[in-house]
Amino acid sequence: QVQLKESGPGLVQPSETLSLTCTVSGFSLTSNSVHWVRQPPGKGLEWMGIIRSGGSTDYNSALKSRLSISRDTSKSQVFLKMNSLQTEDTAIYYCTRGYSSYIEYYFDYWGQGVMVTVSS
Amino acid sequence: DIQMTQSPSLLSASVGDRVTLSCKASQNIYKYLNWYQQKLGEAPKLLIYYTNSLQTGIPSRFSGSGSGTDYTLTISSLQPEDVATYFCQQYNSWWTFGGGTKLELK
Repeated sequence: QVQLKESGPGLVQPSETLSLTCTVSGFSLTSNSVHWVRQPPGKGLEWMGIIRSGGSTDYNSALKSRLSISRDTSKSQVFLKMNSLQTEDTAIYYCTRGYSSYIEYYFDYWGQGVMVTVSS
Repeated sequence: DIQMTQSPSLLSASVGDRVTLSCKASQNIYKYLNWYQQKLGEAPKLLIYYTNSLQTGIPSRFSGSGSGTDYTLTISSLQPEDVATYFCQQYNSWWTFGGGTKLELK
């Protein structure tokens, strides 16, 4: 069955770089897109970026200068790197699969999320 | 960027009530609108895609409608397990979520 699982450090120092890994199973990264979405505590969802099945990426314009998404298809892993972290980057970070078909596009499977706290 | 505004932000209703949640886009999104349910401590879960298509396994008491800039999620008869926060999401231009409606029992 389709599964996604995020991993990474729970605590990051201000101004440092966040590195997260999303390990997927049950589908191929060369056939599906994977997105990153984050959620500050008690707040809403923010789309961060996408890595498509072909390997191309796009980012939320508000994060574009700090964010990078890459992958290792042989390991079924997607990576998120975001630099210059500030306290407002404290959030639960989710990876999610994007499903598309003609006029439909939705996030059908989600990881459990990983809580990242930015604090000294 | 397309902004999504949900209302109300908090809704209290009784079991069995018909509940309506609203989502308004800052421009025409041509029905490219999904709804997600997020229960406390869990990841979001897809309920409705392309405005009114019910995801597999979702109870038929959930339905969606709308066009242009205005969209609605309706729960025909509220159940205790429906207590959650509901988010709309547009995919006409990139992907943007609304701020959410928290649904609680009265």
